[in-house]
Amino acid sequence: NAGVTQTPKFRILKIGQSMTLQCTQDMNHNYMYWYRQDPGMGLKLIYYSVGAGITDKGEVPNGYNVSRSTTEDFPLRLELAAPSQTSVYFCASSTDGGEQPQHFGDGTRLSIL
Amino acid sequence: AQSVTQLDSQVPVFEEAPVELRCNYSSSVSVYLFWYVQYPNQGLQLLLKYLSGSTLVKGINGFEAEFNKSQTSFHLRKPSVHISDTAEYFCAVGHSGAQKLVFGQGTRLTINP
Repeated sequence: NAGVTQTPKFRILKIGQSMTLQCTQDMNHNYMYWYRQDPGMGLKLIYYSVGAGITDKGEVPNGYNVSRSTTEDFPLRLELAAPSQTSVYFCASSTDGGEQPQHFGDGTRLSIL
Repeated sequence: AQSVTQLDSQVPVFEEAPVELRCNYSSSVSVYLFWYVQYPNQGLQLLLKYLSGSTLVKGINGFEAEFNKSQTSFHLRKPSVHISDTAEYFCAVGHSGAQKLVFGQGTRLTINP
């Protein structure tokens, strides 16, 4: 089992560019999450999804968009990249929102210059 | 609303010494509790979980945690740490019907030789 797979692992963007961070899971999990982690800080929830076709904002959604057209995939879109979006992004999935652990990908390290 | 407080942002200990990382939560309903470990430049990995049953939970790498309902705590312990335990540790709480877990801010464990 691959678990949660994130691509790319590293990326450098110029200010104003856009990109999509890919996340896919092969565990048939309904719940999926996107977090960002700034240096020395904890996790901040950007967006989450409780199933295909359903998404909702987390605590820091501004500047990001998501879609969930399939159970497996949960891409995160950055439009008009800004230096403040320099961070490590983690995708996670779970069978249940509050009763089961989340499984994390290895992260995407993104720098906006 | 639920919340999680990790009482120490940094914990330095000597190799082979015991360690306790503290986690307190607030919730008006029954909870599910998790500890994660994040090694440098990696994603979060589940250490252990409390879902029900015995309040003493054993996890990977010799860690254990005790659920104390009256103290609303879920402290993580290891009797003898190794250099390889240097990492960031996150406590998380969920409850039945929740759509997501609430994570603490993390505790950085540094092991000195």
